[in-house]
Amino acid sequence: EADIYQTPRYLVIGTGKKITLECSQTMGHDKMYWYQQDPGMELHLIHYSYGVNSTEKGDLSSESTVSRIRTEHFPLTLESARPSHTSQYLCASSSNPGETQYFGPGTRLLVL
Amino acid sequence: AQTVTQSQPEMSVQEAETVTLSCTYDTSENNYYLFWYKQPPSRQMILVIRQEAYKQQNATENRFSVNFQKAAKSFSLKISDSQLGDTAMYFCAFMINNAGNMLTFGGGTRLMVKP
Repeated sequence: EADIYQTPRYLVIGTGKKITLECSQTMGHDKMYWYQQDPGMELHLIHYSYGVNSTEKGDLSSESTVSRIRTEHFPLTLESARPSHTSQYLCASSSNPGETQYFGPGTRLLVL
Repeated sequence: AQTVTQSQPEMSVQEAETVTLSCTYDTSENNYYLFWYKQPPSRQMILVIRQEAYKQQNATENRFSVNFQKAAKSFSLKISDSQLGDTAMYFCAFMINNAGNMLTFGGGTRLMVKP
């Protein structure tokens, strides 16, 4: 398995709370990605980063924000969680051109 | 823009049998990669197999093999001797050969292996 970690694995939180989903990888990969996936459905790219201080929005519009201050760390933040944010969030990383993306275990978020 | 289509939302197969999952894609690029990922229930997404478009030989990984038809833009996955642990969502994905390594995913096929 790839060395990419996500915490928490499960999170139940009330509307309006600020949350940060953590993603870390120990492989030294420069590229990192965040996907949103509803159960049993396809993945939608919401953010990506090509390196430190580089962040871009993905294909699916998201109210979340990301930062990339360190190579190994790519946290995702929701300033004010809403029930519509309920989903699974997957983090991935990659390195050389054509190299596969390695996925973390995901965070299942439930906003009440 | 690239699109990936998996026309079989759900499939089932008996244990020890062979099953083929379909994937078609649309692109104007000539240099790209194709992947099949497996996502077991409540578990991590993992790579099953990878194919480089410039290679004519079909990729194989143990019981998993692909039938890559570049002209037809088809990339099917064959699972031989299906096992209960093969039960999962399977996603086909496309990547252009550039610096971004961005993946375009299909909608997924839910495979159930029955004992």
